[in-house]
Amino acid sequence: DAGVIQSPRHEVTEMGQEVTLRCKPISGHDYLFWYRQTMMRGLELLIYFNNNVPIDDSGMPEDRFSAKMPNASFSTLKIQPSEPRDSAVYFCASSLKGGGGYTFGSGTRLTVV
Amino acid sequence: QKEVEQNSGPLSVPEGAIASLNCTYSDRGSQSFFWYRQYSGKSPELIMFIYSNGDKEDGRFTAQLNKASQYVSLLIRDSQPSDSATYLCAVTLSGGYQKVTFGIGTKLQVIP
Repeated sequence: DAGVIQSPRHEVTEMGQEVTLRCKPISGHDYLFWYRQTMMRGLELLIYFNNNVPIDDSGMPEDRFSAKMPNASFSTLKIQPSEPRDSAVYFCASSLKGGGGYTFGSGTRLTVV
Repeated sequence: QKEVEQNSGPLSVPEGAIASLNCTYSDRGSQSFFWYRQYSGKSPELIMFIYSNGDKEDGRFTAQLNKASQYVSLLIRDSQPSDSATYLCAVTLSGGYQKVTFGIGTKLQVIP
């Protein structure tokens, strides 16, 4: 099992540019979660999907953030336009039943300059 | 009040000692509790989960839950330098069992 696969590992972009983060969950997992981690705020849930359907996006900070899951094996998190305060590590995680037993991807470290 | 509170540390213990990591949570309806370990620059990995009051042991790790006090802890016996990491407490909140809320994490340093 390859685990949860995220790309890219690192992204450096200029303020105002569009950023797209990608995630491939573990095959057979029904739940997919996007988290953001910063030193000050820790891990924050942005959005999660169940069977490709967005269930709770209350953690998405603002309209600049959007997420999609077009099929069971792929999800994207898009930031447009990006701002320096979006700099963080973004993790994707998947789970068979939800409820906390997650497998995390290796994360994408985003730097917006 | 934060939903899940942890002391950020660092907590320093000598090699071979017992490390005790603590977490409190605010939602009395919380049902599931998790401990994740995160090495520097890496992603969190699940090491323990507990649902019922009492202790749950797995090797050198023991998770303890006291729902009346809204308190969960992780004990690491015979601490090793390889245990040095940040330990994240995670809790499912009532009304949303599929997702968890994480504490800020406690950084543990095991001194050889």
